[in-house]
Amino acid sequence: DQQVKQNSPSLSVQEGRISILNCDYTNSMFDYFLWYKKYPAEGPTFLISISSIKDKNEDGRFTVFLNKSAKHLSLHIVPSQPGDSAVYFCAAANSGNTPLVFGKGTRLSVIA
Amino acid sequence: SQTIHQWPATLVQPVGSPLSLECTVEGTSNPNLYWYRQAAGRGLQLLFYSVGIGQISSEVPQNLSASRPQDRQFILSSKKLLLSDSGFYLCAWSVSGLVGEKLFFGSGTQLSVL
Repeated sequence: DQQVKQNSPSLSVQEGRISILNCDYTNSMFDYFLWYKKYPAEGPTFLISISSIKDKNEDGRFTVFLNKSAKHLSLHIVPSQPGDSAVYFCAAANSGNTPLVFGKGTRLSVIA
Repeated sequence: SQTIHQWPATLVQPVGSPLSLECTVEGTSNPNLYWYRQAAGRGLQLLFYSVGIGQISSEVPQNLSASRPQDRQFILSSKKLLLSDSGFYLCAWSVSGLVGEKLFFGSGTQLSVL
């Protein structure tokens, strides 16, 4: 049973435009959500997080939106840059109780 | 500052051979430690985690085992590798105390079982 789902395996966006990566979850106990970025043959690096008491968190070009009623979160990257090309993983947890559960990832390609 | 070391970076092993991957963390005490695996099309799968020396929680029953002989050392082992053990293995740590917090990953080990 996949508790965190990233239904788009890949996404291509032109440089300068907005990238929107989506993530759905099924476990209503999840209250902490994160996005990680991963380059080939490297470990994932933390990008941005949000707790369930908020519906938006922004850090520079990256914004995460959380819709608790829909059990959906999204990552917006504006403007997209070629260096953003990577695999993005969505993760969720019941903070303090369960380890992070990751989605399968979405490969973002930003085309110059 | 905290750092995490994981080795080797790549490993090619024959089926049936043993495995030992090591991970150490510096700059923090009593971290929570984790082993994840990224297999093709499977995302990041949690294998084991540990909240203290000698305390191991297994998430997926399989051919692998984990041990934590020291506070900041986490080892992933197998007595006999299977083809299905191939993948990218990642060690990670989080701040001591509760699990379900932000993870910091090592650089990973690409394991190919042939």
